[in-house]
Amino acid sequence: AQTVTQSQPEMSVQEAETVTLSCTYDTSENNYYLFWYKQPPSRQMILVIRQEAYKQQNATENRFSVNFQKAAKSFSLKISDSQLGDTAMYFCAFMKGSNFGNEKLTFGTGTRLTIIP
Amino acid sequence: NAGVTQTPKFQVLKTGQSMTLQCAQDMNHEYMSWYRQDPGMGLRLIHYSVGAGITDQGEVPNGYNVSRSTTEDFPLRLLSAAPSQTSVYFCASSYAPGTSGGRWGYNEQFFGPGTRLTVL
Repeated sequence: AQTVTQSQPEMSVQEAETVTLSCTYDTSENNYYLFWYKQPPSRQMILVIRQEAYKQQNATENRFSVNFQKAAKSFSLKISDSQLGDTAMYFCAFMKGSNFGNEKLTFGTGTRLTIIP
Repeated sequence: NAGVTQTPKFQVLKTGQSMTLQCAQDMNHEYMSWYRQDPGMGLRLIHYSVGAGITDQGEVPNGYNVSRSTTEDFPLRLLSAAPSQTSVYFCASSYAPGTSGGRWGYNEQFFGPGTRLTVL
């Protein structure tokens, strides 16, 4: 079974600053995907960024980037130039890879991020 | 496309009552699943389905039933609600790998807006 750990229940940062959210995971799988989801107060789950385990290059999406350390089983999210709209709960998630499809996500407990004006 | 829809948005039940949370998607996705979100616990998988007529248990299936008679719908049934089932429930759907809409490997899961359920 896989586990995902987010050790920072809450974080806050000034607007326009950079913030890094931590995530570690445990798995014996070699083929998997890692994700960061954003959940604003509206409750909607929004996919922020995805990383394939077989890719060495860290994924980036505009102001969002990850630091994927496969050997250390670490997957942190960096938000640059933070904006008020980034205020949300952020979840790290794991999915085992399979050609037969195993679209089950295992989530961490979340980090509540507040951007301070 | 409406995407993934869930009804109701809010519901209050008394212990022992039954109800069905509805989930529908119009994207012709093969995979559908139900998660519950509790404070400090993240989202946990309740049940999932890889196609019409096929369902399986997730991490926390006790107290919940599901069926999948059509591709579009995946209702979640609480037969006898308990206070421990107070939670926010999310439905999600995605393509299956290698299908007409799905790629081999990863296919993005789309989440509904959630149902907040309170059991008194």
